[in-house]
Amino acid sequence: IVLAQSPATLSVSPGERATLSCRASQSITNLAWYQQKPGQAPRLLIYAVSTRATGIPARFSGSGSGTEFTLTISSLQSEDFALYYCQHYNNWPPTWTFGQGTKVDIK
Amino acid sequence: QLRLRESGPRLMKPSETLSLTCNVSGGSVSSNSDYWGWIRQPPGKGLEWIGTVYYTGTTYYNESLKSRVTISVDISNNQFSLHLTSVTAGDTAFYYCARHGVTIHYWGLGTLVTVSS
Repeated sequence: IVLAQSPATLSVSPGERATLSCRASQSITNLAWYQQKPGQAPRLLIYAVSTRATGIPARFSGSGSGTEFTLTISSLQSEDFALYYCQHYNNWPPTWTFGQGTKVDIK
Repeated sequence: QLRLRESGPRLMKPSETLSLTCNVSGGSVSSNSDYWGWIRQPPGKGLEWIGTVYYTGTTYYNESLKSRVTISVDISNNQFSLHLTSVTAGDTAFYYCARHGVTIHYWGLGTLVTVSS
């Protein structure tokens, strides 16, 4: 399964809404989103398509089904400008696949 | 609180074998509910899953790296290891160890390994 993220770069003003897309090459049922800032390891934001990880603010939400998934940041804060990756787990053979990432930068 | 710490050489020469160890604290590699994996990221590029080990020693590898990768678990020292043979400049990357199931909840800080002659 291949995950395609779009756009590659998203330029957004603080306070605006950001919508990131992750498209799977075939229908899937599990998807996670991670945030990565420069010099840091990725941090889990969303798992099981729409469940926020512990400590993640409510402005982050995940949605979708089948092959189309979305990460929405309702009102961008300065600390949200970062790279975002989607990730899928394939049950058999067990493999973990990442999208190529979307960079959210300041407009 | 779970902490994962990668250790190993930072600079290698082509054709050598990369060996990294992930020391686990605040958790146990003998847990039957967790997998322990390695993910890498070339500088400025995306994430690539390398492989994963279960406490029983069962392993799963990325097909693209399978011929060169071995991952093992050391329950007595609460750690797990990555061995990657015949490295090239293309293996230059940040290497992260992680605890995961379907989702990767915990990541190490990562270590940059550079392959250069």
